[in-house]
Amino acid sequence: GAVVSQHPSWVICKSGTSVKIECRSLDFQATTMFWYRQFPKQSLMLMATSNEGSKATYEQGVEKDKFLINHASLTLSTLTVTSAHPEDSSFYICSATPGAMNTEAFFGQGTRLTVV
Amino acid sequence: EDKVVQSPLSLVVHEGDTVTLNCSYEVTNFRSLLWYKQEKKAPTFLFMLTSSGIEKKSGRLSSILDKKELFSILNITATQTGDSAVYLCAVSTGTASKLTFGTGTRLQVTL
Repeated sequence: GAVVSQHPSWVICKSGTSVKIECRSLDFQATTMFWYRQFPKQSLMLMATSNEGSKATYEQGVEKDKFLINHASLTLSTLTVTSAHPEDSSFYICSATPGAMNTEAFFGQGTRLTVV
Repeated sequence: EDKVVQSPLSLVVHEGDTVTLNCSYEVTNFRSLLWYKQEKKAPTFLFMLTSSGIEKKSGRLSSILDKKELFSILNITATQTGDSAVYLCAVSTGTASKLTFGTGTRLQVTL
């Protein structure tokens, strides 16, 4: 199946700093990628839709100035958590779907962010 | 607002038992329903269902979709301890295959 690589797999940062998470589709091009957040023992919640060459679309309640998304190429989307706080500690995961066909979404490995 | 509901929320069974996990949905622009298994990290894909009444099978796991009643079930027969995980149901909508996830069912298989 298609491969989506996410980096880093875990990160610890100090409160007030920014953290960048990368999501790459390794063997296909993705005009659209999705960013999810998962708190402990909860399901995945969609944060935003990352669109190559245009602005991301954010879900209700997600601050676009805090969670900066850049989709500069067909194989790379980045999520930057700016001025991170302990409540931003979570599991962040991206997904992408090859092409325009109705196929399954492929997930990155996820990034566990801990803000101290 | 798109909604996906899974039941039960959690389940404990003995090895060898058969389990049925439920997923119902209310969405606009339905494309497909997907089942994932999540252990420690990222979800791993199990099934994608687009048509009603066609059972998909993989080993001891099987799943079926009812688009009229808006639900799907995931069956696991002869459960093993390695089946212990959270099982996520998601519905894909729209042209970009945006996924809306259910809350998940936490399955624990004991010896």
